[in-house]
Amino acid sequence: EDKVVQSPLSLVVHEGDTVTLNCSYEVTNFRSLLWYKQEKKAPTFLFMLTSSGIEKKSGRLSSILDKKELFSILNITATQTGDSAIYLCAVGDNNNDMRFGAGTRLTVKP
Amino acid sequence: DVKVTQSSRYLVKRTGEKVFLECVQDMDHENMFWYRQDPGLGLRLIYFSYDVKMKEKGDIPEGYSVSREKKERFSLILESASTNQTSMYLCASSFRLGQGSWEQYFGPGTRLTVT
Repeated sequence: EDKVVQSPLSLVVHEGDTVTLNCSYEVTNFRSLLWYKQEKKAPTFLFMLTSSGIEKKSGRLSSILDKKELFSILNITATQTGDSAIYLCAVGDNNNDMRFGAGTRLTVKP
Repeated sequence: DVKVTQSSRYLVKRTGEKVFLECVQDMDHENMFWYRQDPGLGLRLIYFSYDVKMKEKGDIPEGYSVSREKKERFSLILESASTNQTSMYLCASSFRLGQGSWEQYFGPGTRLTVT
């Protein structure tokens, strides 16, 4: 059965720390992996990864995909309180079906 | 275990048909949401409901309506389906903000094709 597993489920850090969030998957006919940041009503799109080994960066956030080992990581450097959110990983297949992980709740304390 | 179920995994409808997508959650969540997910566009919020009979427009409500007659059920209605509504539709639910948890739990999605 296809699945997407995120770890840790919850993380508490202090401002300035660097965090790494993990997403592993078992999905038939993998097409892409997406990261979202969810604060209130709707998740905000962060990255879409399709190729292995190519890092995507946006400011203090970066992400990379390993299609051999079937996982992705999301890094956040120099964390700020505004980074506090739930980070969702989702994997899409060639039918454009999406499977979401349970999310990692990140809390950044001042 | 939280469970969010959607009535169909795959649906094919013709242009102009009325389409109902049903979502049911079993966690007594106050909030329920409907999103559509399109390649390269991420998740876009269509409507959400924070209580029975209450609803609010999301970012792309045009062409859609919703119904929440019971707490556990949130329906998305396409009054007259069009080809640009071909998409993956995701339902989610969560507790009300301020109750200590606002994680959204997603259903498996309904892949709608309008021909």
